[in-house]
Amino acid sequence: QSALTQPASVSGSPGQSITISCTGSSSDVGGFDYVSWYQHHPGKTPKLIISDVNKRPSGVSSRFSGSKYDTTASLTISGLQAEDEADYYCSSYTTTNIVVFGGGTKLTV
Amino acid sequence: QMQLQESGPRLVKPSQTLSLTCGVSGDSINSGDHFWSWLRQSPGKGLEWIGYIYYTGSTYYNPSLESRLTISLDTSQNHFSLHLSSVTAADTATYFCATATTWGRAFVLWGQGTMITVSS
Repeated sequence: QSALTQPASVSGSPGQSITISCTGSSSDVGGFDYVSWYQHHPGKTPKLIISDVNKRPSGVSSRFSGSKYDTTASLTISGLQAEDEADYYCSSYTTTNIVVFGGGTKLTV
Repeated sequence: QMQLQESGPRLVKPSQTLSLTCGVSGDSINSGDHFWSWLRQSPGKGLEWIGYIYYTGSTYYNPSLESRLTISLDTSQNHFSLHLSSVTAADTATYFCATATTWGRAFVLWGQGTMITVSS
């Protein structure tokens, strides 16, 4: 069982928006603004798409955005494209100086 | 531009020690700019953080693996290593090395990953 809880799957049509939630506790998501999101196409290397709750690394599309409220973080993808179909993982820094991940969400476009 | 590359035996027998090295190019392992990290993904499962080490030698491990795990730095070779003892089939996975930011522990740069099979 993962430390952070994500829905197993979400789906959307091209052009639509979807949101993936990531629920933790006061020891991780709720304790820091250090939530990250990764996009992982099977067989490829995971890619950081959001750090520090809502910061996009250089080169990441503005269609990806992050937010947080209390112990739940969220990733929103707007203007869905076929290439967005992938697995998405959240992670958080914790009060014990370690990192915990969510179980991953499979996005179907 | 910094690059990471995992290397090591692809097949490990049960009860033995899994050893992997991550070669770093384009930056020094003595850089205080990163936490040098290991992660894995078992077949059909999600990403799992294994642990990381800072240039000072300070290590932080996943509690579920801590009793079997050692991560170390080799400054002369500019690489860092993973040693996981007493492996079982449950340790079969793709292992990634990565760099993590020093503030939020975001995994910015990843190696290509290497598939390790535990089998007799």
